[in-house]
Amino acid sequence: DQQVKQNSPSLSVQEGRISILNCDYTNSMFDYFLWYKKYPAEGPTFLISISSIKDKNEDGRFTVFLNKSAKHLSLHIVPSQPGDSAVYFCAAQGGANNLFFGTGTRLTVIP
Amino acid sequence: DARVTQTPRHKVTEMGQEVTMRCQPILGHNTVFWYRQTMMQGLELLAYFRNRAPLDDSGMPKDRFSAEMPDATLATLKIQPSEPRDSAVYFCATVLVNTEAFFGQGTRLTVV
Repeated sequence: DQQVKQNSPSLSVQEGRISILNCDYTNSMFDYFLWYKKYPAEGPTFLISISSIKDKNEDGRFTVFLNKSAKHLSLHIVPSQPGDSAVYFCAAQGGANNLFFGTGTRLTVIP
Repeated sequence: DARVTQTPRHKVTEMGQEVTMRCQPILGHNTVFWYRQTMMQGLELLAYFRNRAPLDDSGMPKDRFSAEMPDATLATLKIQPSEPRDSAVYFCATVLVNTEAFFGQGTRLTVV
């Protein structure tokens, strides 16, 4: 039973344009959400996070939006760069501090 | 340079053999997660520990998988007997409470 879902397995974007990656979750007990980036043959690395008390968090080119009523979050990358090409995982954490991940979205930024 | 260390990086074994994967957490991190990466399930949570105590291993096939933390510097994931469907990349991640998780580079397991 997948508690965190990323319904788009892949996304292609032109360099300089905006990339929008989406994530849905089912467990209303989740209160902390994270995005990780993964390159081939490496472990995922932390990118940005957001607490459930906020609806937006921005860090440079990366912004995460949280819509609690819809149980939906998104990651915006603008402008997209070729180096952003990777697999992006959405993750959610709840009261027990377990950490659930989605299936990932492979982003390709075309030069 | 604090990092999570996983060994071995690659493992090829025959079906039926025992496989042991090891993880050295970042010093002071008190929560350890084991994940398996597959195409269909993404990063699948297998088990996690806090302060060396197992908190949840419901994601793990109990008949063949076991996870332990014999001390604060070592977490292990064992598969006995291994099967071809266990072939995947296994990641360990560690957390200092209420911060983000740091991942190791993974163990790529191939069972033939």
